[in-house]
Amino acid sequence: KQEVTQIPAALSVPEGENLVLNCSFTDSAIYNLQWFRQDPGKGLTSLLLIQSSQREQTSGRLNASLDKSSGRSTLYIAASQPGDSATYLCAVITQGGSEKLVFGKGTKLTVNP
Amino acid sequence: NAGVTQTPKFQVLKTGQSMTLQCAQDMNHNSMYWYRQDPGMGLRLIYYSASEGTTDKGEVPNGYNVSRLNKREFSLRLESAAPSQTSVYFCASSPAGGWEDTQYFGPGTRLTVL
Repeated sequence: KQEVTQIPAALSVPEGENLVLNCSFTDSAIYNLQWFRQDPGKGLTSLLLIQSSQREQTSGRLNASLDKSSGRSTLYIAASQPGDSATYLCAVITQGGSEKLVFGKGTKLTVNP
Repeated sequence: NAGVTQTPKFQVLKTGQSMTLQCAQDMNHNSMYWYRQDPGMGLRLIYYSASEGTTDKGEVPNGYNVSRLNKREFSLRLESAAPSQTSVYFCASSPAGGWEDTQYFGPGTRLTVL
């Protein structure tokens, strides 16, 4: 059974800092990995999707990498801003007939002005 | 273009009552999903529908039923609510099967069962 772990569970940084969020998964046979953002009391917003054949994806100040063989992904946020404060969720879809997103529990990020 | 909409936003039920959570998407997506989010458990898939007319169980289907009314709408029904079903429920949709495309989420329904 696929398990997704995100470390740390919470992170507090000063504004302007570059930071890395980590995600690991136990079954490397994935179709893709996705990073989502969730603001308090809101739904999820997709940030980046990395297909299993890709190594990284970039969108603005965000860069996500994927190392499928080691079962790891990182989300790099450059020059963090208070508006980046949110919970970041990692999710994978595993090959083998179960086309379902399996989520980590998230990293709650606070960027202090 | 409203994306994925869910009604109601909040609901309080007594144990044993029934209710239906509504979800609609206006993006002409084929696949739709229902998740629940609980503290310390993350998001878990309840049911999904890969296309109009089909539904399938997810990780935690017990106590729920679903209906894919048409391509736009996917409802979740609690026949006899229990306190363990207190949660935040999210509906999502994707163009294809989810493994090729990202999923788009609604704002959620916060359900409390007393």
